[in-house]
Amino acid sequence: DAKTTQPTSMDCAEGRAANLPCNHSTISGNEYVYWYRQIHSQGPQYIIHGLKNNETNEMASLIITEDRKSSTLILPHATLRDTAVYYCIVRVANNNAGNMLTFGGGTRLMVKP
Amino acid sequence: NAGVTQTPKFQVLKTGQSMTLQCAQDMNHNSMYWYRQDPGMGLRLIYYSASEGTTDKGEVPNGYNVSRLNKREFSLRLESAAPSQTSVYFCASSEEGFVKKLFFGSGTQLSVL
Repeated sequence: DAKTTQPTSMDCAEGRAANLPCNHSTISGNEYVYWYRQIHSQGPQYIIHGLKNNETNEMASLIITEDRKSSTLILPHATLRDTAVYYCIVRVANNNAGNMLTFGGGTRLMVKP
Repeated sequence: NAGVTQTPKFQVLKTGQSMTLQCAQDMNHNSMYWYRQDPGMGLRLIYYSASEGTTDKGEVPNGYNVSRLNKREFSLRLESAAPSQTSVYFCASSEEGFVKKLFFGSGTQLSVL
């Protein structure tokens, strides 16, 4: 499985876009990129996932480089409620329940007023 | 829909005591998972269940047992609690398929003295 590298922490001003990078230089062709976040004391929450193309949903946008070796999660207008730990996870795509997601250290995003 | 419900939210045990953490989901998901999260760390998979009647070990199964009572419920039992099992426990469920979109409960904070 591809290993991911994320900055330990980041700050963002409220109302500005938060851009969270993730490096996954050893990613293989059949691996998805997932983003989850964990707000203090709560269970992780799914944000978005992608394979090759950029993706957007109501929560965020995911930009994957053409070589797929890195990606960026974009929160377009960060609010104080977006303060959380953000996990970037890479995992092979198969229909196997044991193909579990591994949550590493993540990036601690602090949104400041 | 309530999603994934865990009980209790908090528990204090003495070393050697036993207890069962309960988890139920109302999303008709086949797969269910138990993770633990130690302070300042990512999540580690304890056990998972791909479907009713099946369970498998994850990354850190020692000291735990699980039961998939039916499609909705997946319980985690500590037979003889140890201080090393002090942690926050999260239950999760997911749909079948190639994409691992996990839905998490709010967690059980367990302290073993």
